[in-house]
Amino acid sequence: DQQVKQNSPSLSVQEGRISILNCDYTNSMFDYFLWYKKYPAEGPTFLISISSIKDKNEDGRFTVFLNKSAKHLSLHIVPSQPGDSAVYFCAVDSREGAQKLVFGQGTRLTINP
Amino acid sequence: NAGVTQTPKFQVLKTGQSMTLQCAQDMNHEYMSWYRQDPGMGLRLIHYSVGAGITDQGEVPNGYNVSRSTTEDFPLRLLSAAPSQTSVYFCASSYRNPPPSGRAKFNEQFFGPGTRLTVL
Repeated sequence: DQQVKQNSPSLSVQEGRISILNCDYTNSMFDYFLWYKKYPAEGPTFLISISSIKDKNEDGRFTVFLNKSAKHLSLHIVPSQPGDSAVYFCAVDSREGAQKLVFGQGTRLTINP
Repeated sequence: NAGVTQTPKFQVLKTGQSMTLQCAQDMNHEYMSWYRQDPGMGLRLIHYSVGAGITDQGEVPNGYNVSRSTTEDFPLRLLSAAPSQTSVYFCASSYRNPPPSGRAKFNEQFFGPGTRLTVL
């Protein structure tokens, strides 16, 4: 029974356009939400995070939105660049700093020139 | 800094064999953890440690042992390998408490490059 779901296994976006990756979770007790990026043959790298007390967090081209009532998280990348092509994982934690992450299945993002 | 290092990169075992996956970090992180990644399932937490001498189980601990005798090292032991343990294993480390200003975001886990294990 997956607590964190990324329903799109893959996404293809034109360079310069917006990429939107989605994530749903089931447990309303989750309090901290993160996105990780993974290139082939490498470990995941942290991208951006958001606490449950916020509904939006921006870091350069990356923005994470949190809709607690819908238990939905999304990552927006604007503008998309070829180097953004990777697998993106959303992850949740019971509280900020608990460090016991539960990951979604991942979405493979391909940016086309 | 080398960051988080893992050895070996690849390993093939026969059912019943034992082995240890090595993980080391040079960032003085208190928190270390092991995850496995299987196709279509994302990463799942196996074991974690909040400091030397302290370990606890994650979501999928069966068949794995860990110990943490130093801050730097967190080995993962498979005592009797099974085909179900074929996976890619990632080690991660992070600050347990808010880090010194400018050094990473709180809750940011740094991952190693992974070990691809096949059990025949």
